Amino acid sequence: GNSVTQMEGPVTLSEEAFLTINCTYTATGYPSLFWYVQYPGEGLQLLLKATKADDKGSNKGFEATYRKETTSFHLEKGSVQVSDSAVYFCALGSGGSYIPTFGRGTSLIVHP
Amino acid sequence: NAGVTQTPKFQVLKTGQSMTLQCAQDMNHNSMYWYRQDPGMGLRLIYYSASEGTTDKGEVPNGYNVSRLNKREFSLRLESAAPSQTSVYFCASSKTGDWSTEAFFGQGTRLTVV
Repeated sequence: GNSVTQMEGPVTLSEEAFLTINCTYTATGYPSLFWYVQYPGEGLQLLLKATKADDKGSNKGFEATYRKETTSFHLEKGSVQVSDSAVYFCALGSGGSYIPTFGRGTSLIVHP
Repeated sequence: NAGVTQTPKFQVLKTGQSMTLQCAQDMNHNSMYWYRQDPGMGLRLIYYSASEGTTDKGEVPNGYNVSRLNKREFSLRLESAAPSQTSVYFCASSKTGDWSTEAFFGQGTRLTVV
């Protein structure tokens, strides 16, 4: 079956540091890949997505590239801000399946 | 543009009480989902509705029932609440059930069962 593995958190960084949150997956076929963000007290919202191999999703300075050869979709940002403090979820959607697969989430804490 | 609206936002129940969590979306989406979120467990799917008129069990359906009232609304019912059902509940919807498109989430319902 499908699965998503994320690095465990919390990840603690100083403002303006470089961020990487690792995500690897197993899936049949050619899934779509997503990163969702959950700010404190809120629901999840889509941060970025990629629907085929070598696609790069980007939004708000965050980027992730769909790497089929390494089955990865790592999230990166060059310079984090305090306002980026949140929980980040990697997820995949597999064509024909009504049940998406989420990673367990990685908490990011950014200090001034 | 309201998106996905959940009510209530907070609820405290006594063990054995029943309640219904309401969810409505105004995006004309076909598929709707109920998740629970617990510390260290990520999101776990309770029930989903691929399209109006259908519902199916997810990963953790025991103790819950759902109703897809119409295309817009998908409710989750706890018939006899237990402390193990203390959690944050999220409703989500997506245009297509195959998740090739993004899902939209509600703000969550924080439920405590004492």
